[in-house]
Amino acid sequence: AQKITQTQPGMFVQEKEAVTLDCTYDTSDPSYGLFWYKQPSSGEMIFLIYQGSYDQQNATEGRYSLNFQKARKSANLVISASQLGDSAMYFCAMREINTGGFKTIFGAGTRLFVKA
Amino acid sequence: ETGVTQTPRHLVMGMTNKKSLKCEQHLGHNAMYWYKQSAKKPLELMFVYSLEERVENNSVPSRFSPECPNSSHLFLHLHTLQPEDSALYLCASSLQGAGTEAFFGQGTRLTVV
Repeated sequence: AQKITQTQPGMFVQEKEAVTLDCTYDTSDPSYGLFWYKQPSSGEMIFLIYQGSYDQQNATEGRYSLNFQKARKSANLVISASQLGDSAMYFCAMREINTGGFKTIFGAGTRLFVKA
Repeated sequence: ETGVTQTPRHLVMGMTNKKSLKCEQHLGHNAMYWYKQSAKKPLELMFVYSLEERVENNSVPSRFSPECPNSSHLFLHLHTLQPEDSALYLCASSLQGAGTEAFFGQGTRLTVV
C-alpha cells in the first residue's frame, strides 16, 4: 500500500536561508513519481517539483530541489534562499504506475513559516 | 492560474439542501479528481475519473455524487450533508501516468450548517 509520511507539522526558517522539508514514502511498486506541492492560504495547490523513481539525478526547479534517496525511500524538498512568500503548507505526494497512474496520495503536510 | 477552475469558491449550505460543485479544465487532460481537505487531516482522494469513466471511489458516502459529462467538466453533487462534511474540496486534473503532475483548482470552501 502507498504511504507518505511528513513528520514536521511546522518549520521555521529565517528569510534568505535554506530549509529542508522531510518526506518519506512506502511503496512496493518500482515505478512511481514523487511530487511536491505548495498550498498558500488561498487554498490553491501549486505544483513545485517532480522526481521519477528511475531518474538518476535529483530534480531541481529554480530555488527548489528534491533530495531523492531511493534506498531510504525519502524525497526531501530543499528550498534555498527562503522568501517571505514561501510561507505556506507544503505537501509531498506520490503516484504509482501499478494503479494506472491515477491515484496520487498526499502526506499530512508541513507548514513553513519564513521569518523576516 | 493553473487552468483548472472551480465554482463556487465558497458555499454555505444547510443539511437539507442540494448543491453542486463545478470543476472545469481546458488543458487537454484525460483524468479528473475530487479531493477533500479537512482541518488536521491529510488530503483525501474521493473520486477519480479517466476519460469520463469513474475509475476510483474511495468509500465516499452516497451523499456525495460525482458526475463527469465530458473530459473537461467534473461535478460533485451534494445532498443531505452533515456538519463534518465541511471542508475544502479540491478538483484536479492530469494526464494519465505517474510522471505527470496534477493541476489543482483553487477549491471550494464548503460549510454545512
